[in-house]
Amino acid sequence: DIQMTQSPSSLSASVGDRVTITCRASQSISSYLNWYQQKPGKAPKLLIYAASSLQSGVPSRFSGSGSGTDFTLTISSLQPEDFATYYCQQSYSSPRTFGQGTKLEIK
Amino acid sequence: EVQLVESGGGLVQPGGSLRLSCAASGFTFSSYWMHWVRQAPGKGLVWVSRLNSDGSGTNYADSVKGRFTISRDNAQNTLFLQMNSLRAEDTAVYYCVRADAAAGRALDYWGQGTLVTVSS
Repeated sequence: DIQMTQSPSSLSASVGDRVTITCRASQSISSYLNWYQQKPGKAPKLLIYAASSLQSGVPSRFSGSGSGTDFTLTISSLQPEDFATYYCQQSYSSPRTFGQGTKLEIK
Repeated sequence: EVQLVESGGGLVQPGGSLRLSCAASGFTFSSYWMHWVRQAPGKGLVWVSRLNSDGSGTNYADSVKGRFTISRDNAQNTLFLQMNSLRAEDTAVYYCVRADAAAGRALDYWGQGTLVTVSS
């Protein structure tokens, strides 16, 4: 099974900050890496697919990069509605593993 | 509008069974692979199972293999998860999720989830 490791597990930041979350796969997954945002009590929402493609309707302050084993999610200028938990997930092979999540909190 | 609506969750005793359903609408259900993902209270997302578009291919997480069965009725636009020999550690919100092959097989639409509680 492919293991996905996110860092950091939690992060405190302020509105307007630039934030980067990283995700590392235990083996190459090409560009089959996706990012999700989840707010308390809600279902996850797809932000980025195929490592760097922005899902329709997602603000352009979100971006993704990487290939192979190392990936990043960047929020260029944090907005109040961005404080949530973020998950990476590989869709290269089954089981479709998720990272453990990064909780982004207000400083 | 794509909609996925889960039902069938509830309280069940250890060793018991439960069948979850997911009613899909707003897209051509028979063209998409479908997945179940779960989330224990206060914990992260865990992938459970996937089923290809015509129902001929499945995969399961090791933790549920041999106990859970995923299936679909494309005529009724419905996805199912039969859960047998339930354990306390199966307690979670279960999400029905669509995967989009055109988007790198990403999980692009999620239901609201249904809570399964395994407890005596």
